[in-house]
Amino acid sequence: NAGVTQTPKFQVLKTGQSMTLQCAQDMNHNSMYWYRQDPGMGLRLIYYSASEGTTDKGEVPNGYNVSRLNKREFSLRLESAAPSQTSVYFCASRGLTGPRPGELFFGEGSRLTVL
Amino acid sequence: QKEVEQNSGPLSVPEGAIASLNCTYSDRGSQSFFWYRQYSGKSPELIMFIYSNGDKEDGRFTAQLNKASQYVSLLIRDSQPSDSATYLCAVIRTSYDKVIFGPGTSLSVIP
Repeated sequence: NAGVTQTPKFQVLKTGQSMTLQCAQDMNHNSMYWYRQDPGMGLRLIYYSASEGTTDKGEVPNGYNVSRLNKREFSLRLESAAPSQTSVYFCASRGLTGPRPGELFFGEGSRLTVL
Repeated sequence: QKEVEQNSGPLSVPEGAIASLNCTYSDRGSQSFFWYRQYSGKSPELIMFIYSNGDKEDGRFTAQLNKASQYVSLLIRDSQPSDSATYLCAVIRTSYDKVIFGPGTSLSVIP
């Protein structure tokens, strides 16, 4: 059972380049999330998707776009990377049933450096 | 004002002591509250959740919720060096499905 898989794990970009972070979950969850984590800042919500076909802005959406391709996959795109987007990015999914309803399941994180 | 605030760290406690972590939130419509633990370089993992006012205990961990004061806390009894991590408070307004985290509190348990 893979849980939440995100790729790539590491990426170095030059300012102005574009890239897409991929995320897939195999737990049949409706909700998926993208967060960024900077030192001392906790997890800040970039975008989320409550169900297939819907996406909503979080706390820090500027400079990002997302696509909920299907129930399993939720991708995050940086169209023109900036050094301020250097961060660790986490994808997560959330289910409403199970022993701990509402729990977020996280991927391993993607470390992005923009030069 | 941030939607979710936590007591600033780092917090240091001796082994065997009680560690107290606090979290306040601004949205009165928040309904679900979670505590995650994150070790350095790792993903967050859920350790406690609470939905109703009062206390909820699970082993050495106790979560406390006071919706009137918009306050949620986590107590760790008999703290161990393995508890040294960053603790993140998360708040959900279920109708919006939006999960907001606080900035985290770094806990260090000294042997």
